[in-house]
Amino acid sequence: NAGVTQTPKFRVLKTGQSMTLLCAQDMNHEYMYWYRQDPGMGLRLIHYSVGEGTTAKGEVPDGYNVSRLKKQNFLLGLESAAPSQTSVYFCASSHPQGLTYSPLHFGNGTRLTVT
Amino acid sequence: GESVGLHLPTLSVQEGDNSIINCAYSNSASDYFIWYKQESGKGPQFIIDIRSNMDKRQGQRVTVLLNKTVKHLSLQIAATQPGDSAVYFCAEGVYSGNTPLVFGKGTRLSVIA
Repeated sequence: NAGVTQTPKFRVLKTGQSMTLLCAQDMNHEYMYWYRQDPGMGLRLIHYSVGEGTTAKGEVPDGYNVSRLKKQNFLLGLESAAPSQTSVYFCASSHPQGLTYSPLHFGNGTRLTVT
Repeated sequence: GESVGLHLPTLSVQEGDNSIINCAYSNSASDYFIWYKQESGKGPQFIIDIRSNMDKRQGQRVTVLLNKTVKHLSLQIAATQPGDSAVYFCAEGVYSGNTPLVFGKGTRLSVIA
């Protein structure tokens, strides 16, 4: 069981470039999430998905898009990267809240720098 | 990584002492609370959770206390060890709902050997 796997681990982009962050989980979790973590800001939710083919906006969705084509994968896209998107990005997954007493399981993060 | 810890409240504790990390939550409707531990360069790891029908829950060396009257949560770590050094986050949510958890900004625990 690998849990939640994020790729890549590190990336440097120039302003205006695009990229996709991949998250994969092997726990058969329904829910998946993308967070960003900045110094002193804690974890802020970007987008999340409650099942294959569904996505929803979180607290800070602007500048990002997501797709959940397969249950085990959740992709986070940056179409035109900006320096303000320099951050550490974490993916997480969980069983549905209310059905199973299951907290979030996190990956180890992707450190993105936009110059 | 290390940059996550900038500007965070910091608690320094002597090895072997007990640690108490506090968290105030904001939503009166929240009925599910979780503590996470984040070590440098890693993602947050689940420590312990509690539902609002309880005011105390114990794990291995950890205890979570919930005071719904003042919307306060605390994490107690017994006999703190150097491996406990990390950033600790509380999170609140509604157990029966579909809304995601909301995380606090975190507290850095530094264990002095």
